[in-house]
Amino acid sequence: GQNIDQPTEMTATEGAIVQINCTYQTSGFNGLFWYQQHAGEAPTFLSYNVLDGLEEKGRFSSFLSRSKGYSYLLLKELQMKDSASYLCAVKDSNYQLIWGAGTKLIIKP
Amino acid sequence: IAGITQAPTSQILAAGRRMTLRCTQDMRHNAMYWYRQDLGLGLRLIHYSNTAGTTGKGEVPDGYSVSRANTDDFPLTLASAVPSQTSVYFCASSDSGGVNEQFFGPGTRLTVL
Repeated sequence: GQNIDQPTEMTATEGAIVQINCTYQTSGFNGLFWYQQHAGEAPTFLSYNVLDGLEEKGRFSSFLSRSKGYSYLLLKELQMKDSASYLCAVKDSNYQLIWGAGTKLIIKP
Repeated sequence: IAGITQAPTSQILAAGRRMTLRCTQDMRHNAMYWYRQDLGLGLRLIHYSNTAGTTGKGEVPDGYSVSRANTDDFPLTLASAVPSQTSVYFCASSDSGGVNEQFFGPGTRLTVL
């Protein structure tokens, strides 16, 4: 079966750095996405990785290792507005997204 | 219209009733999707459409039907609602080329009693 694993909840301090991990087992791989979802709102696109390595976009970076079935999202200089759920999703061999349950990130002052 | 709209925002429905959730996008995206999101679970694909006139079944299609008469609209119908269909429903769309990131509507919160 297909599976995306990520921690249920994480807590971090404002101004700090946090790394959210995602491991996956899917039938085929055509890219990995990270989305942000604030409570009561729709998911919004953050990043996309299809090749191994680090993609940096401002305070957010995403890393991919296809051989390990592993990705992480790195958030730097945390702000209170970063409190949200972060969803990992993999595009499988049918080009459909398989979604993890999301990691709820709590930022404390 | 800017992006994707969904209607209604929320709905309480008696079991056994028929309900259509509406979704409209103005980005001229070829592909559209319907997901349900339940607490503790990832988004689960109900139905999708790669282009107008075609539809396909996702992971959890039972009890739901869709149509794609044109590029912009992708309604989701519950023929006879059951309490297990209580969920938040998101419609999304994506373009055909490039990264194909999906853009989501604001969601419909549906409660079936």
